[in-house]
Amino acid sequence: EAGVTQSPTHLIKTRGQQVTLRCSPISGHTSVYWYQQALGLGLQFLLWYDEGEERNRGNFPPRFSGRQFPNYSSELNVNALELEDSALYLCASSLGTGSSTDTQYFGPGTRLTVL
Amino acid sequence: QQQVKQSPQSLIVQKGGISIINCAYENTAFDYFPWYQQFPGKGPALLIAIRPDVSEKKEGRFTISFNKSAKQFSLHIMDSQPGDSATYFCATTTSGTYKYIFGTGTRLKVLA
Repeated sequence: EAGVTQSPTHLIKTRGQQVTLRCSPISGHTSVYWYQQALGLGLQFLLWYDEGEERNRGNFPPRFSGRQFPNYSSELNVNALELEDSALYLCASSLGTGSSTDTQYFGPGTRLTVL
Repeated sequence: QQQVKQSPQSLIVQKGGISIINCAYENTAFDYFPWYQQFPGKGPALLIAIRPDVSEKKEGRFTISFNKSAKQFSLHIMDSQPGDSATYFCATTTSGTYKYIFGTGTRLKVLA
């Protein structure tokens, strides 16, 4: 069974630019989560999508946004890039059962570097 | 803000030794405590998880110990192997929130 896939693997952008990251969940999973993993920090929750709707977001500015498509894949968009946006962006998916034991499975991440 | 405090930041253990990583939380509403293992260049992978109604869970060489009154939980890796060298994250969540709160990670190095 294929795991969570993300693209691209690496990305280099300059300040002020915009970027789109993509994620395909595990087949059968309806919930998609986005996390930011900055160097030396843990994973910070960004966004949660389920059934095409944004259900929850973390403490990030509005220039971080995204969407989920009918096939449950998802995009994360970051506008007006800042140097501190340089991080590994991780996507995870789950069955979306609502239980706390609804395990999140992570993709390999997209490494974003902002110059 | 809800937090999970993880320690140590890094850990070096001899092959065959025991690796112990600790996490402390604040919110008593948390009801699921997973541990993730992350190798360089890979996403985190679920290693083992525990609910607060049990004090210990063992899977192979990996054991979670849970102390509800102290609001602490720990990961024990018995007979540590060089292949266990990775970064380990504790996490916690509450039913219905779908939001995992992660610790800052422990970089484990097991010497051959």
